[in-house]
Amino acid sequence: TQLLEQSPQFLSIQEGENLTVYCNSSSVFSSLQWYRQEPGEGPVLLVTVVTGGEVKKLKRLTFQFGDARKDSSLHITAAQPGDTGLYLCAGDGGSEKLVFGKGTKLTVNP
Amino acid sequence: KAGVTQTPRYLIKTRGQQVTLSCSPISGHRSVSWYQQTPGQGLQFLFEYFSETQRNKGNFPGRFSGRQFSNSRSEMNVSTLELGDSALYLCASSRDRLTDTQYFGPGTRLTVL
Repeated sequence: TQLLEQSPQFLSIQEGENLTVYCNSSSVFSSLQWYRQEPGEGPVLLVTVVTGGEVKKLKRLTFQFGDARKDSSLHITAAQPGDTGLYLCAGDGGSEKLVFGKGTKLTVNP
Repeated sequence: KAGVTQTPRYLIKTRGQQVTLSCSPISGHRSVSWYQQTPGQGLQFLFEYFSETQRNKGNFPGRFSGRQFSNSRSEMNVSTLELGDSALYLCASSRDRLTDTQYFGPGTRLTVL
């Protein structure tokens, strides 16, 4: 069974701080996706990374896929209260079933 | 265009009852996937339907079933409810889950008493 471990589970920071969220696995994934979920809503796709070593930027968010395609990270620069939410990584291991990590709950205090 | 809609948004049932949840995908999307989200287990894949056929299934007991209609709307049914079935049930639609972005609905919050 493919598992994705996310860390930290909870993160509470002040506005303006930087942070990094990690998504690790012992399995190789053909691609990894990052989602953000706000209370009362479904997850919204932020990015998909496909190539080992790939780095993608979305405004203040930087996503990296590990060289071996077993891990990924999400770095947020100068966090804002609007970044508050549950960040989920999900991997498609080729078995046609999307596997999700349990998520990192981020709170950015003004 | 309208997003994925799920009905009802909230549901309270008692043990032993059964429940049917509904999902209307984005117009033109033929793939509908269902997920169960709990604080302890996170998001877990239930099953996926594409053009009225179940294309993939997660590791859930047979009490969990689903179907898809010719207009791509989907329903999932849970029979003989257990306390552990309390969760947020999410559906997601895409043109084709294998190649396209999934768009999630807001979910149905099921509470089993």
